[in-house]
Amino acid sequence: DQQVKQNSPSLSVQEGRISILNCDYTNSMFDYFLWYKKYPAEGPTFLISISSIKDKNEDGRFTVFLNKSAKHLSLHIVPSQPGDSAVYFCAASTGNQFYFGTGTSLTVIP
Amino acid sequence: GAVVSQHPSRVICKSGTSVKIECRSLDFQATTMFWYRQFPKQSLMLMATSNEGSKATYEQGVEKDKFLINHASLTLSTLTVTSAHPEDSSFYICSASAAPGGGYGYTFGSGTRLTVV
Repeated sequence: DQQVKQNSPSLSVQEGRISILNCDYTNSMFDYFLWYKKYPAEGPTFLISISSIKDKNEDGRFTVFLNKSAKHLSLHIVPSQPGDSAVYFCAASTGNQFYFGTGTSLTVIP
Repeated sequence: GAVVSQHPSRVICKSGTSVKIECRSLDFQATTMFWYRQFPKQSLMLMATSNEGSKATYEQGVEKDKFLINHASLTLSTLTVTSAHPEDSSFYICSASAAPGGGYGYTFGSGTRLTVV
C-alpha cells in the first residue's frame, strides 16, 4: 500500500503563474518530508525539505507547506519558469526508510 | 497501485564482505530498474540503470565491478556491493518503471541503509 501518494500525474501551468504540486501521506510517524525534481535521464535532484515540526519552509521561488492534520504536503513554485518543467517527487522519511510518491510531471508553458 | 519491495531495509556488514540488496516489483513487470545512492539532504545519485535480460548501464564514476547489478527477471533486480568498505556506507534506493523512458510512473523502494564496519 502506498504511504505517499501524488494523485496528479501531470500538471500544466503558464509561465509566470504559480505551480502547486500536491502530495498526501498516510503514516503519522513520518518526521521529514522532501521534494525532488527529476529531468529525463537524470537522477532526482533534491529541491527542498521540511521537518514535521514545521508547517512551512521557503527557499527562493520554492515553498513547501505541511498540513499534518490533513497529512498533506504541497510544493509551490512562484513564478513558474519553463526550466521548471520536470517530474517532481515527494518523499517522506521515518529516519530509516524513505517513501516516495510516483511523481507529477510539470510542464511550464512559455 | 504499483509497489516495489526492497530488502533488506537495514544491513550491517564487516569490511571486505559482500552485501546483496534486492528490489522487487510486486504487482507489475518492471522492464527497467534504477539504483540510487542517497546521502543526507542531498540528491539521489543515480548509480545505474538495469534492463531485464541485459547488462546494466552504469553512471560515470560508479565502479561496475564493485556494484554488481543483476536484473534477471521482470520483477527482480539485485545490487551486490562487493568487498564493502566503510565509505560504501550509505542509503541505497531502487526504483522501477513499467514504462521505460517515461517521465512519471516510477515506483521507489523504501531503501536499504548499509553500514560497513
